[in-house]
Amino acid sequence: SQQGEEDPQALSIQEGENATMNCSYKTSINNLQWYRQNSGRGLVHLILIRSNEREKHSGRLRVTLDTSKKSSSLLITASRAADTASYFCATDEANFGNEKLTFGTGTRLTIIP
Amino acid sequence: DVKVTQSSRYLVKRTGEKVFLECVQDMDHENMFWYRQDPGLGLRLIYFSYDVKMKEKGDIPEGYSVSREKKERFSLILESASTNQTSMYLCASSLPLGLGYTFGSGTRLTVV
Repeated sequence: SQQGEEDPQALSIQEGENATMNCSYKTSINNLQWYRQNSGRGLVHLILIRSNEREKHSGRLRVTLDTSKKSSSLLITASRAADTASYFCATDEANFGNEKLTFGTGTRLTIIP
Repeated sequence: DVKVTQSSRYLVKRTGEKVFLECVQDMDHENMFWYRQDPGLGLRLIYFSYDVKMKEKGDIPEGYSVSREKKERFSLILESASTNQTSMYLCASSLPLGLGYTFGSGTRLTVV
């Protein structure tokens, strides 16, 4: 299966700094999505970027997509303690039809107050 | 507030037991999914369903079955629980529009 790979696996930064996480995937996609998971809970959908888009913003989140490199990045600006969580990218395989997501292994983000 | 509800947050079962994990969504979503999450392995798709009474195997269906008799409910069944099925189980639902999943809070299953 085409599993996304997040990089780094873990990231610790000071509150107020920006956090950048990267995701690589293997095959053509319809869209790429980012999710957040607080410890021991379900995942929460953050943002979706379609294969014909290059950049998307939502509040303090900025996502870029480079389909030629099969990679995406998630930038969280002005980080807060509440941003501490695991972040996952997920891809929706092109030509599959209905939505079926494949998730990466995640980046564990820790914001130090 | 729309949501996906998983019947149990924590569950402890014995090896060989038949285990039912229930998931209910109130959003009239066509698609429903069961994933398991293990450290270092991320989320792996077990089964999914695009409509009532429909089911499709995911990447790791062995040892599991599912039931979808009503649109809002998707059940995951462990026919004979084994210790390697100890995991976090996550249910999700979505519309067939590629707009993203809504997840339940997860069930942490321990098989002893």
